[in-house]
Amino acid sequence: ILNVEQSPQSLHVQEGDSTNFTCSFPSSNFYALHWYRWETAKSPEALFVMTLNGDEKKKGRISATLNTKEGYSYLYIKGSQPEDSATYLCASYSGGGADGLTFGKGTHLIIQP
Amino acid sequence: GAGVSQSPSNKVTEKGKDVELRCDPISGHTALYWYRQSLGQGLEFLIYFQGNSAPDKSGLPSDRFSAERTGGSVSTLTIQRTQQEDSAVYLCASSLAFNQPQHFGDGTRLSIL
Repeated sequence: ILNVEQSPQSLHVQEGDSTNFTCSFPSSNFYALHWYRWETAKSPEALFVMTLNGDEKKKGRISATLNTKEGYSYLYIKGSQPEDSATYLCASYSGGGADGLTFGKGTHLIIQP
Repeated sequence: GAGVSQSPSNKVTEKGKDVELRCDPISGHTALYWYRQSLGQGLEFLIYFQGNSAPDKSGLPSDRFSAERTGGSVSTLTIQRTQQEDSAVYLCASSLAFNQPQHFGDGTRLSIL
């Protein structure tokens, strides 16, 4: 994997259901993985910064896991609420310089009441 | 407290003109980043400043782009002889240090006619 890839591109989920989506990133020279939430008409908001293989972070109903050896991270949302509707971005840090931080195109999540 | 501030919020200009975008980071944040998002694309990393150190400019898309950061605080991104492909939302972010969560401004929407 040369780029940061996120899937699915968009996702419709019923309110109350749980969901998850994927970020794939280059595993070589890995330094850190960032997750951001970007709501319409707002600026991106940091969710997690993860560095260690096997790392698991949690913020309320949102959690994330990290596998640096195979180059993927999952973001989970438990009991989706309408306010969770946003684009979720991941970004991989490969250690600095101009190529240091590469963003995926995001997963656009829509929670349907 | 004050977040990252960007100005102007919107800029419409004619092809060939120069534009200057400004970013005021959160006080005390030593790291400052510029990104852009073109229509239908993900966030593209442009340049990163760490304190008063000279930035690595190799991420800038062409030599028409330049950026500076005065006194380790305010940054300006200048685009000379603008082209239509420069139309995008330009986002600035700052963080306490390299690889800490980034705090984003609301962006400058640049439209080149």
